[in-house]
Amino acid sequence: EDKVVQSPLSLVVHEGDTVTLNCSYEVTNFRSLLWYKQEKKAPTFLFMLTSSGIEKKSGRLSSILDKKELFSILNITATQTGDSAVYLCAPLPGGGADGLTFGKGTHLIIQP
Amino acid sequence: DGGITQSPKYLFRKEGQNVTLSCEQNLNHDAMYWYRQDPGQGLRLIYYSQIVNDFQKGDIAEGYSVSREKKESFPLTVTSAQKNPTAFYLCASTRTVSSGNTIYFGEGSWLTVV
Repeated sequence: EDKVVQSPLSLVVHEGDTVTLNCSYEVTNFRSLLWYKQEKKAPTFLFMLTSSGIEKKSGRLSSILDKKELFSILNITATQTGDSAVYLCAPLPGGGADGLTFGKGTHLIIQP
Repeated sequence: DGGITQSPKYLFRKEGQNVTLSCEQNLNHDAMYWYRQDPGQGLRLIYYSQIVNDFQKGDIAEGYSVSREKKESFPLTVTSAQKNPTAFYLCASTRTVSSGNTIYFGEGSWLTVV
């Protein structure tokens, strides 16, 4: 059974559109939720979310965590073709008992 | 500069051969991870290690083996028992437990079976 579920798995939009990517998770002794962007190589870090309800922003990207519902969203406004990538989320456990499991990712394609 | 070094970046293997992918970090991280990624797919956990001389199987450990003799090093061997080893392999590390740090990734290794 999947511990991390991302949706949608793929998404195609036009430049300028706003997108919302979803991540639900289940992990023992949750500490933080991580978002990464992956193009053709290693993932690059976007956000680490630890507290519920506090939005983190970086330019056109923002993310928020709901620890009660075990859910996080990643928003991208005014999308650009350079936003095309796979977006991955992973719950980071405290206690060191679990492996670090990623969702399958959302494959986002921004069309000009 | 601190970071994770994976080698080789590209590797070709004949069927029936074992190959070992290297992963070295100088970040003083306790936890290290190996992931496999197939085209258009997410990251799947192969093995992970939270401490020297100890490691656990991830979701797809069959056909792989690891060792953790030193804190800095976590090599992955793709054995001949792995039926479909062609993939992109990523090594990662974190500090465990108390600090909740982000994950650091190596640049990855592309393995192709010929």
